[in-house]
Amino acid sequence: SQQGEEDPQALSIQEGENATMNCSYKTSINNLQWYRQNSGRGLVHLILIRSNEREKHSGRLRVTLDTSKKSSSLLITASRAADTASYFCATILFAGGTSYGKLTFGQGTILTVHP
Amino acid sequence: DTEVTQTPKHLVMGMTNKKSLKCEQHMGHRAMYWYKQKAKKPPELMFVYSYEKLSINESVPSRFSPECPNSSLLNLHLHALQPEDSALYLCASSQKNRDEQFFGPGTRLTVL
Repeated sequence: SQQGEEDPQALSIQEGENATMNCSYKTSINNLQWYRQNSGRGLVHLILIRSNEREKHSGRLRVTLDTSKKSSSLLITASRAADTASYFCATILFAGGTSYGKLTFGQGTILTVHP
Repeated sequence: DTEVTQTPKHLVMGMTNKKSLKCEQHMGHRAMYWYKQKAKKPPELMFVYSYEKLSINESVPSRFSPECPNSSLLNLHLHALQPEDSALYLCASSQKNRDEQFFGPGTRLTVL
């Protein structure tokens, strides 16, 4: 079963508005990552946040992580039509004593930004 | 070169065919992955290779056979597939297994 649940499933906004997507997960993690996918193509890595970090920024992206609530959020500020895509959170937990881990994706949020 | 390439882009095969998907990266990454993605669903991990050795097999049916001939190449051999195996097959690589992954554009597979 998938580790992450994302909310909302779909989000429709106007250009210039901010978009917030939330992700919840069930087990302990080592890091959480956000990816973007355009129209059934390959995924593009956006940002990685480690379990001991609470917030991270990259350009117009801001990610928060609350390990006590097992949740993360992705904020895209000043959205553009080109941000239209599916956004997935993915968590990884390393097997004990190793650097191996399975990246498990959430169900994704479909973001549509209208010009 | 920061790209993962996959060939072919599209593949249509019958249930008795044997075909292979190919993935290549020249970023010096030592971990490579195969994922399967059905329409409107997230990617699901199939296999992980680390330093050219298979480290994770997510109980994938034997009709899918991965191969890592060298650190830059990853193949997925397909044999006797079923129509429900039709999906987008994504390859990815990362510096180490714990790092962010770089994805290829995928192979859209249709099994008739």
